[in-house]
Amino acid sequence: DAKTTQPPSMDCAEGRAANLPCNHSTISGNEYVYWYRQIHSQGPQYIIHGLKNNETNEMASLIITEDRKSSTLILPHATLRDTAVYYCIVRVAGDNNDMRFGAGTRLTVKP
Amino acid sequence: DVKVTQSSRYLVKRTGEKVFLECVQDMDHENMFWYRQDPGLGLRLIYFSYDVKMKEKGDIPEGYSVSREKKERFSLILESASTNQTSMYLCASSQTGFGTHEQYFGPGTRLTVT
Repeated sequence: DAKTTQPPSMDCAEGRAANLPCNHSTISGNEYVYWYRQIHSQGPQYIIHGLKNNETNEMASLIITEDRKSSTLILPHATLRDTAVYYCIVRVAGDNNDMRFGAGTRLTVKP
Repeated sequence: DVKVTQSSRYLVKRTGEKVFLECVQDMDHENMFWYRQDPGLGLRLIYFSYDVKMKEKGDIPEGYSVSREKKERFSLILESASTNQTSMYLCASSQTGFGTHEQYFGPGTRLTVT
């Protein structure tokens, strides 16, 4: 699997957009970008995934650069409940094996 | 909603005890996984199963075994618990076949071995 690089921590003001970057410069053409988050003492929660087009769901938006070497997860109106560790993962579709979680970005949403 | 449940949120066991961690999913997923999570080490795969009675070793299977007798249930067994198995244990499930197969995680079991 391609490796990802994320900043270790970020802060965001409540109500503002949180933009979490991820670099995956060695991503292969058949690898998707997944985002998960883990709120303290809970299991990881799936957020969104994409291949090359931008994606949006009720939780977040995923922007993938045209060269696919980086992506940004956007939480449009961050709340205190969005404080969590956010993980960016790249993985081949149809792979039945595990998800390779790195260290992630610890996002703190402040009032 | 996909639901993955784990038998206990917190568990305290003594060294040498046999420990069973149970995981149940209600989405008819073929794949199930057991991870452990430790500070600074991220999630590490212990075992996974892609079908009933099938199992595959992950990165750190030593000291653990698993059982999958029914599709919805995947058990992790610590044959003789040791203090270095104190950790957060996470179960996950996903579909199989072609597709993007996001994994759905349970709430975790925090195991302390004294």
